[in-house]
Amino acid sequence: QVQLVESGGGVVQPGRSLRLSCAASGFIFSSYGMHWVRQAPGKGLEWVAVIWYDGSNKYYADSVKGRFSISRDNSKSTLFLQMNSLRAEDTAVYYCASNNWHYWGQGTLVSVSS
Amino acid sequence: EIVLTQSPGTLSLSPGERATLSCRASQSVTSNYLAWYQQKPGQAPGLLIYDASSRATGIPDRFSGSGSGTDFTLTISGLEPEDFAVYYCQQYGSSPYTFGQGTKLEIK
Repeated sequence: QVQLVESGGGVVQPGRSLRLSCAASGFIFSSYGMHWVRQAPGKGLEWVAVIWYDGSNKYYADSVKGRFSISRDNSKSTLFLQMNSLRAEDTAVYYCASNNWHYWGQGTLVSVSS
Repeated sequence: EIVLTQSPGTLSLSPGERATLSCRASQSVTSNYLAWYQQKPGQAPGLLIYDASSRATGIPDRFSGSGSGTDFTLTISGLEPEDFAVYYCQQYGSSPYTFGQGTKLEIK
C-alpha cells in the first residue's frame, strides 16, 4: 500500500536550519510531482512548495520563498525540504503529499523556539 | 492568489441529517480543480472529493461535491457519527495552491 513517511522535525532555535525528509513507497514516486503542506497548531492548512516529478520545476509560497528549498532523490524515492532562517511562524506540522493529492504522510512537527 | 472562503465556520447538526458546506473562490478555479478534505484531530487530511465532483477511492457515496467556476459545495447526506470533523476545500488549478479556512462540523 502507499506510504509517505515524514521525518526530521524537532525543536530548533530561530535563525537555524532543519531538513525534512519524506520517504515514499507503494507507488511510482518518480512519476509524481510532490508537495509540502504545513499546519500551524490549531490553524488551517497552508501549501508550502511543489516539485515536478523530475525535479525540473519548483514553486514556493511567498511566506517561505528564499528560505526553503524543495528537492528529491528519485533513486531513493525520497522528498526533501531544506528550511533555513527559521522563524517562530514556521512552527507547524509539515506534511508531504503527492501531486494528485490522494496520498499524504502523517506529518512531522517543527517547533521554532528559543 | 485565489482566496477560498468557506461557510459556515461551524455547522451543528445531528446524525442522520444532511450537511451542506460552501466554498467560494475569489476568482474562477482553473478546470474546476477543487478538492475537499476531511481532517480529524491528530490526523492528516484525507481526500474526499477531487476535480470538484469526483469521489476519491473508498469514499462513501453519501459524500458528494458539486459546483464550478467560483462556487462549490460539499454535501453529506445522512450524517454518520464518524463524519463530525473539520472540512477544507482547496484549489490546485493555479499556484499558490490555496486552502479554505475550514468548516467544523459538530454534533448538535
